[in-house]
Amino acid sequence: GQSLEQPSEVTAVEGAIVQINCTYQTSGFYGLSWYQQHDGGAPTFLSYNALDGLEETGRFSSFLSRSDSYGYLLLQELQMKDSASYFCAPYTGRRALTFGSGTRLQVQP
Amino acid sequence: DGGITQSPKYLFRKEGQNVTLSCEQNLNHDAMYWYRQDPGQGLRLIYYSQIVNDFQKGDIAEGYSVSREKKESFPLTVTSAQKNPTAFYLCASSSATENTGELFFGEGSRLTVL
Repeated sequence: GQSLEQPSEVTAVEGAIVQINCTYQTSGFYGLSWYQQHDGGAPTFLSYNALDGLEETGRFSSFLSRSDSYGYLLLQELQMKDSASYFCAPYTGRRALTFGSGTRLQVQP
Repeated sequence: DGGITQSPKYLFRKEGQNVTLSCEQNLNHDAMYWYRQDPGQGLRLIYYSQIVNDFQKGDIAEGYSVSREKKESFPLTVTSAQKNPTAFYLCASSSATENTGELFFGEGSRLTVL
């Protein structure tokens, strides 16, 4: 079967670091994407990991462990504008992304 | 500017009516996708197409239909068979030849059944 798990909500303060975990079970796994979505808006692409390890893009980093079927998104130096929903999305053998239910991040002053 | 255009942005429908949501892209992408999002939920895949004149059912295709007659266009019809069509619909595209996991999304169409 196919499953995808990430925490439903995370709260952190400005300037802090937060990690959003994602565990997945899929067939034909190619890689793991991360998306950000602000309320009422469209998802925007943050990162994609095809290989094990850490990918860094500015304040955001993403990690993948294929053997553990696990990944995480790391957000550093949190800003109020980072308050949004974050989705992990495995890219699978059917050549389409499957999105999880998302993690709602609330950044407090 | 390249991008994906969805229309209409807001749509109201009476029960029993079919409606068609438009999705056009000028990114020269081969692959296009339709997702549905309910409040506070993730995105669920309705249909996707990797190439013109070909498309596949996603996870929740019942009550929906699509066509892919042109590379640039991937319209979605929400039929009267869809029992709970009120939702936010998102169209996306990607380059099928570059496996980067990156989808480009339109601004979405919000459908409300009255």
